[in-house]
Amino acid sequence: AQSVTQPDIHITVSEGASLELRCNYSYGATPYLFWYVQSPGQGLQLLLKYFSGDTLVQGIKGFEAEFKRSQSSFNLRKPSVHWSDAAEYFCAVGLTGGGNKLTFGTGTQLKVEL
Amino acid sequence: NAGVTQTPKFRVLKTGQSMTLLCAQDMNHEYMYWYRQDPGMGLRLIHYSVGEGTTAKGEVPDGYNVSRLKKQNFLLGLESAAPSQTSVYFCASIRETGFSEAFFGQGTRLTVV
Repeated sequence: AQSVTQPDIHITVSEGASLELRCNYSYGATPYLFWYVQSPGQGLQLLLKYFSGDTLVQGIKGFEAEFKRSQSSFNLRKPSVHWSDAAEYFCAVGLTGGGNKLTFGTGTQLKVEL
Repeated sequence: NAGVTQTPKFRVLKTGQSMTLLCAQDMNHEYMYWYRQDPGMGLRLIHYSVGEGTTAKGEVPDGYNVSRLKKQNFLLGLESAAPSQTSVYFCASIRETGFSEAFFGQGTRLTVV
């Protein structure tokens, strides 16, 4: 079965600083990979996804992620964080067939200091 | 478009009571899902459906039942609520074709006392 690990439970960065959120996955083949963001009291919104092709994918709100097969990683990055980026971020792996189910990591809570 | 709508948004139940959470989507999506979100555990799949009239168990199905009588609606039932079912519940839907974006509802915060 596939699994997703987000090793950082909480991260605090200063506004304007760069950000990297880590995600490692376990899956037998090249997976479908996603990053979602959840603002307080809200549902999840898709930031970006990787299916195949270019390993550096661009998403909304200035986020990008890089797929590294050798490290089984899909880390999320942003060059300059804004206070409005404070939220919880979830990495997810998609398993095709049998319902296209998503397996989520435990999430990383991002705090932005002004 | 409303997207995915969950009702109710908040609910407090007493142990042993029953309730049904409703999820409605207006995007004509085939696949629908119910997740629960607990602190430090991310989202875990309870049940899912790959089309009208179908349901299947996810990772944590015990204590829950579901029904998909209409394509646009996916109901989650708790027959006898327990404090361990205190959680935030999210519904999501996906198109059948490919592995496209999952659209999520705003969530239902359920407390069982």
